[in-house]
Amino acid sequence: DADVTQTPRNRITKTGKRIMLECSQTKGHDRMYWYRQDPGLGLRLIYYSFDVKDINKGEISDGYSVSRQAQAKFSLSLESAIPNQTALYFCATSSSVGVETQYFGPGTRLLVL
Amino acid sequence: GQSLEQPSEVTAVEGAIVQINCTYQTSGFYGLSWYQQHDGGAPTFLSYNALDGLEETGRFSSFLSRSDSYGYLLLQELQMKDSASYFCAVRQSGYSTLTFGKGTMLLVSP
Repeated sequence: DADVTQTPRNRITKTGKRIMLECSQTKGHDRMYWYRQDPGLGLRLIYYSFDVKDINKGEISDGYSVSRQAQAKFSLSLESAIPNQTALYFCATSSSVGVETQYFGPGTRLLVL
Repeated sequence: GQSLEQPSEVTAVEGAIVQINCTYQTSGFYGLSWYQQHDGGAPTFLSYNALDGLEETGRFSSFLSRSDSYGYLLLQELQMKDSASYFCAVRQSGYSTLTFGKGTMLLVSP
């Protein structure tokens, strides 16, 4: 079984809708991250969490929110989706002593119409 | 702020050696990582350099020069399966996150 899983894998939604992307991990890591990837722009950090009680904004947090429900679960919400949030979203985890080595989920392809 | 520069695309033939460069500007550099991503799949960790010099892992090696704010990924004995995007990523001192470059697409031809 995959160490980092994301649901859904693909999602089509309409402008203004609220959606949630979920991430679970079985690696026992305390650190979790959400990135978005757009063609030609690499991976940009949206939010990250170092433990259940810790949430931090990344480079591009506007329009997004997150929830760390448990050590193993980190969800990303788009409160009111807009077309320029169409992207590939990745969840990742790392240990506290191995931030340089992140383990990524398979990604969620989101299309906002 | 931080910035990373890497070529957008590199082409090579099977069996050859290719070098993907990464230059960075950051305040308080901690280390440089490299990741591989096949066609929109999950990025996977390849290597990490915190100190100057060469790190070798099989056919892949990574080099860092802290004084030049420069690193590279060296792929030897290229195989078709090495066709992928490669990202360098910087960790700043005092931070526990990575900033990724925009990626280099490597195309390996027969």
